[in-house]
Amino acid sequence: DVKVTQSSRYLVKRTGEKVFLECVQDMDHENMFWYRQDPGLGLRLIYFSYDVKMKEKGDIPEGYSVSREKKERFSLILESASTNQTSMYLCASSFSLAGTGKYGYTFGSGTRLTVV
Amino acid sequence: AQKVTQAQTEISVVEKEDVTLDCVYETRDTTYYLFWYKQPPSGELVFLIRRNSFDEQNEISGRYSWNFQKSTSSFNFTITASQVVDSAVYFCALSPLDYGGATNKLIFGTGTLLAVQP
Repeated sequence: DVKVTQSSRYLVKRTGEKVFLECVQDMDHENMFWYRQDPGLGLRLIYFSYDVKMKEKGDIPEGYSVSREKKERFSLILESASTNQTSMYLCASSFSLAGTGKYGYTFGSGTRLTVV
Repeated sequence: AQKVTQAQTEISVVEKEDVTLDCVYETRDTTYYLFWYKQPPSGELVFLIRRNSFDEQNEISGRYSWNFQKSTSSFNFTITASQVVDSAVYFCALSPLDYGGATNKLIFGTGTLLAVQP
């Protein structure tokens, strides 16, 4: 089975700190994603990457950046954490094979970040 | 614009009741996928089903069934004879799949919290 591993289940950080959330997948998937989940808002896409060193903004990129130096690892960076970034963060990876219908999408177990 | 609407914020049922979770989507794409995910209290998203826009056949998997109707842009999910273990948040999602194999980003609804009482 594809596994997507997020390095921390719970994190508590102080306002203004630089925060790194790490995500690793073990199935050589091309695409990786960071979502944020908030009550009543569902999951919203922050950033995604379709290849090493490639990144695209999602729907809510403000206050975040990402890094993908290796195919299996996709990091979400909060340059200066703020209390409104307290949330559940979910990483995902996916592949699709054009013309085959083969498609896979797997989520990590999430990191619950609290900024105080 | 692409959008997924889950109008039911919370549903409470008693065990063994049947329950239907509604999902309505908007897209201009002709090719797309629809998904349902379950999120139990542990927080991990559990994949339930993926449906290709070309395939409107309903699907049944044990106590779970899905009704995909392109004419009304709906993809509803029914749990038959609900159990306490079904208590979770359920998300419907849309993927504007690019057959060029690019991004597969998911557009989620806001989720429906299902509480099954014993």
